[in-house]
Amino acid sequence: GQQVMQIPQYQHVQEGEDFTTYCNSSTTLSNIQWYKQRPGGHPVFLIQLVKSGEVKKQKRLTFQFGEAKKNSSLHITATQTTDVGTYFCAGKKYNFNKFYFGSGTKLNVKP
Amino acid sequence: DTEVTQTPKHLVMGMTNKKSLKCEQHMGHRAMYWYKQKAKKPPELMFVYSYEKLSINESVPSRFSPECPNSSLLNLHLHALQPEDSALYLCASSQEERTTGIGYTFGSGTRLTVV
Repeated sequence: GQQVMQIPQYQHVQEGEDFTTYCNSSTTLSNIQWYKQRPGGHPVFLIQLVKSGEVKKQKRLTFQFGEAKKNSSLHITATQTTDVGTYFCAGKKYNFNKFYFGSGTKLNVKP
Repeated sequence: DTEVTQTPKHLVMGMTNKKSLKCEQHMGHRAMYWYKQKAKKPPELMFVYSYEKLSINESVPSRFSPECPNSSLLNLHLHALQPEDSALYLCASSQEERTTGIGYTFGSGTRLTVV
């Protein structure tokens, strides 16, 4: 079954609006990674979170790892058309040497 | 060189054909991966090689046969595929199988169509 759930499936925003995607796991994760895949492209690594409650920022992107290490979020402030793509989280469980990709959130930004 | 190179970019093959997908990286990464991605779906792990040894096989059918000739190369041999095997096949690499915080580097993929 699905190891890592991600919502929403799709999000359409006007340029300048904010966007958030959420990732949830039924089990505690050792760490979580975020990837962006542009239409017709391949996943590109954005960031990894390891510590409980960790928050990391990359310009307009803010990544959070929940206190229980079962959920994570990616927030984009003031979206731009260059943010278009599908955002995937990928969670790794303890003692498992593989990442489970979430179902992804497809972001469309209208200019 | 910070790229993973995959060839061919596109492949159309019949169900009786034998073909191979190739993946190459020169970043010194010791873990390499094959993923399969269907349209509008997340990548699904197929195989993991760590230090040139098969580490994980996600119960992939035997018509897919991976090979790691050396630390820079990863192949996926295809034989007697079915139309439902049509997908984007992604190769990825990382420093080690145990994550080091830099994440996976993905190639641009081979878009496979089985007819």
